[in-house]
Amino acid sequence: DQQVKQNSPSLSVQEGRISILNCDYTNSMFDYFLWYKKYPAEGPTFLISISSIKDKNEDGRFTVFLNKSAKHLSLHIVPSQPGDSAVYFCAAIPLIQGAQKLVFGQGTRLTINP
Amino acid sequence: NAGVTQTPKFRILKIGQSMTLQCTQDMNHNYMYWYRQDPGMGLKLIYYSVGAGITDKGEVPNGYNVSRSTTEDFPLRLELAAPSQTSVYFCASSYGTGSLTFGAGSRLTVL
Repeated sequence: DQQVKQNSPSLSVQEGRISILNCDYTNSMFDYFLWYKKYPAEGPTFLISISSIKDKNEDGRFTVFLNKSAKHLSLHIVPSQPGDSAVYFCAAIPLIQGAQKLVFGQGTRLTINP
Repeated sequence: NAGVTQTPKFRILKIGQSMTLQCTQDMNHNYMYWYRQDPGMGLKLIYYSVGAGITDKGEVPNGYNVSRSTTEDFPLRLELAAPSQTSVYFCASSYGTGSLTFGAGSRLTVL
C-alpha cells in the first residue's frame, strides 16, 4: 500500500526553465510534507517542507504547493540549474506525536540539460 | 561537525552470515532512525528510537534488531542475512521536529 506516490520516475528539463515535480498521497492523517534531494552515493538532504495548514511555502528558487482537497503536492524549481540534477523524494509525516516516521514516495530523477 | 556517520559504506555478505551496521551522530539528537532503500523504491522505515534505551519497530523490521545504549549510537544488526536484505541502508537523526538528517548510506549485498 503506497501511501505516498510519485508517478513520474524521471523528468528532463532544460536549464533555465521551470521544473515541476509532483507527489500524491492517500492518507488524510498526514500533517507535514517534506522534499528531499539525493545525489548518487550520498544520503538524502532536506530541501523544503510545508505544513498542512499552509498551501504554499517558498525558499529561494524552490516553492512547494499543497492542495489538501486533491491530496497533491508539487515542488517547483525555477530557474532550473545543472546542479539540480538529482533524485527528489517527497515524504509525509502523520499527525501523531512522537517520532517523525516519514513515509517516502518512490522518487523522481530530475535531469537538467544545458 | 560530522553529522550522521555510517560504517561500513559497502559490504558483501553470504547468506546466513550476521553483521552490524554502525551509526553515530554528534548533534545530540534524541531521535534516530534506520531506513532501507531498494532500487526504484522510496525509503522504508526499519526501526526507530526516541531516546537512549527506547526502540520501536517501523514498517519493515523483520530480520533486523537494534539497540540504543547511548544518545549518539544506533547500530542495526542483521542476524541471518538473506538475499532480500540486499539494499542501501540509511541512518538518520532528528530533534523530533522538522526534518531528519541522513547519513551517506551503507550498501549491503547478500549473495
